[in-house]
Amino acid sequence: ETGVTQSPTHLIKTRGQQVTLRCSSQSGHNTVSWYQQALGQGPQFIFQYYREEENGRGNFPPRFSGLQFPNYSSELNVNALELDDSALYLCASSLQGGLSPLHFGNGTRLTVT
Amino acid sequence: QKEVEQDPGPLSVPEGAIVSLNCTYSNSAFQYFMWYRQYSRKGPELLMYTYSSGNKEDGRFTAQVDKSSKYISLFIRDSQPSDSATYLCAMSANRGGADGLTFGKGTHLIIQP
Repeated sequence: ETGVTQSPTHLIKTRGQQVTLRCSSQSGHNTVSWYQQALGQGPQFIFQYYREEENGRGNFPPRFSGLQFPNYSSELNVNALELDDSALYLCASSLQGGLSPLHFGNGTRLTVT
Repeated sequence: QKEVEQDPGPLSVPEGAIVSLNCTYSNSAFQYFMWYRQYSRKGPELLMYTYSSGNKEDGRFTAQVDKSSKYISLFIRDSQPSDSATYLCAMSANRGGADGLTFGKGTHLIIQP
């Protein structure tokens, strides 16, 4: 069974730039969620994708957007990067419906300078 | 008041001790409760997943949920140095997870050999 994989592992961007992070779901999982984890904090929910559509969103501005592809892989896009966007971005996959817990990848560490 | 409160620690105990970790929450809609373990530079790893009130045991780990008090606990028996990590509690109101998980800040646990 293949787990959740994320790329890249580390990234450095400049304020105002745009970034795309990628995620491959665990085998058999059709739902992808993205979380932001600032240093010393718990993860915060950004949004969830199911059947290639966003079906839930946390308290994040529209410059955070995403895509889910037919093979259930996903992208997180962040426009107009701000210094406070520096964080670990975690992707998690699950089965929609049912008692399905989230399985996380190891994240992408984004630094905005 | 944050929705989920968790003492960040650090909590330092000798090897072999029983460890007690806990979280309190304010949202009475939460029904699904999880504990994740996160090692440095890694993503959260699911340890326990429970629904509503009650106890659940898995090996050295026991999770307890008291919805009347809005209080959840994780007990670790016969603690090992490899248990040293950050432990995150998480919870959600609905089954599909479209509203995302709400996490505590995490408790940093250190098991002294």
